[in-house]
Amino acid sequence: DVKVTQSSRYLVKRTGEKVFLECVQDMDHENMFWYRQDPGLGLRLIYFSYDVKMKEKGDIPEGYSVSREKKERFSLILESASTNQTSMYLCASRTDTDTQYFGPGTRLTVL
Amino acid sequence: SQKIEQNSEALNIQEGKTATLTCNYTNYSPAYLQWYRQDPGRGPVFLLLIRENEKEKRKERLKVTFDTTLKQSLFHITASQPADSATYLCARPGSGAGSYQLTFGKGTKLSVIP
Repeated sequence: DVKVTQSSRYLVKRTGEKVFLECVQDMDHENMFWYRQDPGLGLRLIYFSYDVKMKEKGDIPEGYSVSREKKERFSLILESASTNQTSMYLCASRTDTDTQYFGPGTRLTVL
Repeated sequence: SQKIEQNSEALNIQEGKTATLTCNYTNYSPAYLQWYRQDPGRGPVFLLLIRENEKEKRKERLKVTFDTTLKQSLFHITASQPADSATYLCARPGSGAGSYQLTFGKGTKLSVIP
């Protein structure tokens, strides 16, 4: 089974802190994605990566950056956390049959 | 932009009945549509993919249809059970360079009442 793991299930940070969310997949997938999910707004794509060291902005990249130094790991970085970044963050990797496998999610609260 | 809409935010259904969820898309027909299940506090889980040239696809009690004339996909759960209660998301791929991406609908929360 494909496994996508995320470093934390719950995270509480303070405004202005730098936050790192880590995602690891074990199936050698080239494409990985970061989404945030908010009530009434659904899943929104923040950033995605085609391959190592390659990244593309999604629909809502402002306030975020990403890093992909190794194929299995895709990190989301909040440079200076703000309260409007309180959300559920979901990482996914894409299979060669076009489906996506999601991690369990990180519920981030910014105080 | 390519939009995808799930018109019902919530659907309540009696156990044993067939649940039918609707997904509508705009502009051109995508090469495929996907359906996912999401339980509270969890990541979505892939259920079914149906391609443009497939009218219908089945997996156990699940059935998905793809109507390019109506620009619509229907997702059916037959003999529904309380364990089927979850939020169901449909998704379509982007176009061109964005074809690796998926755009998700906001989901329909299904509640199966015993």
